[in-house]
Amino acid sequence: NAGVMQNPRHLVRRRGQEARLRCSPMKGHSHVYWYRQLPEEGLKFMVYLQKENIIDESGMPKERFSAEFPKEGPSILRIQQVVRGDSAAYFCASSLPGQIYEQYFGPGTRLTVT
Amino acid sequence: AQTVTQSQPEMSVQEAETVTLSCTYDTSENNYYLFWYKQPPSRQMILVIRQEAYKQQNATENRFSVNFQKAAKSFSLKISDSQLGDTAMYFCAFLLTGGGNKLTFGTGTQLKVEL
Repeated sequence: NAGVMQNPRHLVRRRGQEARLRCSPMKGHSHVYWYRQLPEEGLKFMVYLQKENIIDESGMPKERFSAEFPKEGPSILRIQQVVRGDSAAYFCASSLPGQIYEQYFGPGTRLTVT
Repeated sequence: AQTVTQSQPEMSVQEAETVTLSCTYDTSENNYYLFWYKQPPSRQMILVIRQEAYKQQNATENRFSVNFQKAAKSFSLKISDSQLGDTAMYFCAFLLTGGGNKLTFGTGTQLKVEL
C-alpha cells in the first residue's frame, strides 16, 4: 500500500507566480490535511478537507491561498502571486474516516520563492 | 486554543544511553491525543508514539516510551539505548477529539546521538 504522495518534492517560483502543490492520499483515505513548516519552526495546520468539501480552513491565510480535494484526483494546494514569505515546506497528511488520530504524512514539498 | 511547548531546542546523547525529551501542553479539554513525531534530515514526518488522554497507562513502542502526567499536562518522551539513527528533530503534538481534526505541534527538539 503506497503511502501519501506529494509532488513536486521541490518547487521554485519567482515572486508573483503561482504554485500548485499536489497530494495523493493513501488508498482508502478520504480525509486530507495540509500543514506548513516555516524554517526553524514546527508544522502549522492550514486546512482540512474531505472529498469535495472544505471542513476547516482556519489556518489558511485569507488571501492568495486555496485548497481543493475533488471527487477524482489529488488534493491541490494553490498559492497565487507567491511572495518570499511563502517559502516553506508544505506537508500533506491523510486519514481514514473516523481515525483522525492516525494521520499519515507525505514527504512534503519544499517551496522556494526567489 | 491549545498550545504545545517544547523547552529544549537541542539535546545530545551518547549512543546506547537514555535521553528524555520534554513537552508540556495547555488545554481545558478532557478528551485528546498526544503524539511524538520524528523528522530526520529527509524531512519525512514519522509517527513515533501516540497516547490517548483517557488511558492512564503510558504508551510504549520498543525503545520509546512516554511519561504522561495528565494533571500536570506533561508528556515526555524517553528513548532508551539511543542509536545513531535516532538523530532527528522531534515534535510533540496535540489533537483534540472532536475539535476539527488538526494537529497542534510544538517547536521541536533537535536530538543528536553521538558516538
